[in-house]
Amino acid sequence: EAGVVQSPRYKIIEKKQPVAFWCNPISGHNTLYWYRQNLGQGPELLIRYENEEAVDDSQLPKDRFSAERLKGVDSTLKIQPAELGDSAVYLCASSAATTGSGELFFGEGSRLTVL
Amino acid sequence: ELKVEQNPLFLSMQEGKNYTIYCNYSTTSDRLYWYRQDPGKSLESLFVLLSNGAVKQEGRLMASLDTKARLSTLHITAAVHDLSATYFCAVESAGSYQLTFGKGTKLSVIP
Repeated sequence: EAGVVQSPRYKIIEKKQPVAFWCNPISGHNTLYWYRQNLGQGPELLIRYENEEAVDDSQLPKDRFSAERLKGVDSTLKIQPAELGDSAVYLCASSAATTGSGELFFGEGSRLTVL
Repeated sequence: ELKVEQNPLFLSMQEGKNYTIYCNYSTTSDRLYWYRQDPGKSLESLFVLLSNGAVKQEGRLMASLDTKARLSTLHITAAVHDLSATYFCAVESAGSYQLTFGKGTKLSVIP
């Protein structure tokens, strides 16, 4: 069975440019998460989806970040415009849990470098 | 706000030795997870601990949870080089589905 798939794996952009990341969760997993991981740190939650509904976006910087999960499957995370401090690895994870977060399955991440 | 602290943050140990990584957290929770991350790779689930006193073992790793002390431990027995990685604990806030991760413990096992 395929795991969580993310693309692109690497992206280098100049500041003020837009960037988008795509995630395909494990089939049947209704819950999808986007995390950001800075170098040497643990992942930090950006947004959580239950099916197509964003149920926790309290940590998403809404002035420049947006996300969507159309049809409750794939998801995209967009940054516009990117800033130097956005350089990080953006991780997508999915879970089959119906109560609690449950065991998360992570993709390999999208490493963003903003110059 | 839930805070999760791991220690040590860096651990260099010799092959064959035993050691323990500690994960303390600040508020009530009875769900804790351990993940492993190899350099440049994603996080791989190791253990899911869902109740006070839970103990799980896989190979040379054993994890336990004491919800009263708000403490989980990851014990390494007779370390081998293949265990070199960064280990994260993640705690689920009671009543919420949000996981808060520790900063990770970077383990290096040397011959």
